Amino acid sequence: EAQVTQNPRYLITVTGKKLTVTCSQNMNHEYMSWYRQDPGLGLRQIYYSMNVEVTDKGDVPEGYKVSRKEKRNFPLILESPSPNQTSLYFCASTPEGGTDTQYFGPGTRLTVL
Amino acid sequence: QKEVEQDPGPLSVPEGAIVSLNCTYSNSAFQYFMWYRQYSRKGPELLMYTYSSGNKEDGRFTAQVDKSSKYISLFIRDSQPSDSATYLCAMGIYNFNKFYFGSGTKLNVKP
Repeated sequence: EAQVTQNPRYLITVTGKKLTVTCSQNMNHEYMSWYRQDPGLGLRQIYYSMNVEVTDKGDVPEGYKVSRKEKRNFPLILESPSPNQTSLYFCASTPEGGTDTQYFGPGTRLTVL
Repeated sequence: QKEVEQDPGPLSVPEGAIVSLNCTYSNSAFQYFMWYRQYSRKGPELLMYTYSSGNKEDGRFTAQVDKSSKYISLFIRDSQPSDSATYLCAMGIYNFNKFYFGSGTKLNVKP
């Protein structure tokens, strides 16, 4: 089954404790993105990747890092999480060019205390 | 000013009604326009995708883009309780994997 998977689905952590949210897709898509979704603000793009070893900032990259060492995986890293990073996070993948369907993962609900 | 503005609702309609959902945007460089549906506790799923001004129909759904007014709409005919969800508009620029989403409109279709 074609899908985007994220882990963990739920995470409660404390300020400053490094964490990684994994994202994996099995559709051989070139493009992958990370979003955060907050009430009243909608989905905001954090980082995106056009291919292996090619990443770029979205609208809200501060406090986040990403890496794309393999085509299928695009982990989101929070080196020193803060309470304002409490949010619902979605990973998405796209076949090509940003002009095609984005397939979203199920989401990761992160709470930073 | 946000790139994309969308009325958050909630919008409550009886089953069978025609629903109109709208977004406005400020960036004239946007070239393609999408509508996503998001059920509670799920990721968004693409409903409609249009490139350039005009209408696009898919079953009960019609997407309309008016680039001159920077205004897009999604119409749902014969709405069903299963259409109850949050609808997000999104837009982007060709060949740039950067997308801008509206905040979403919550729709409730009452049986």
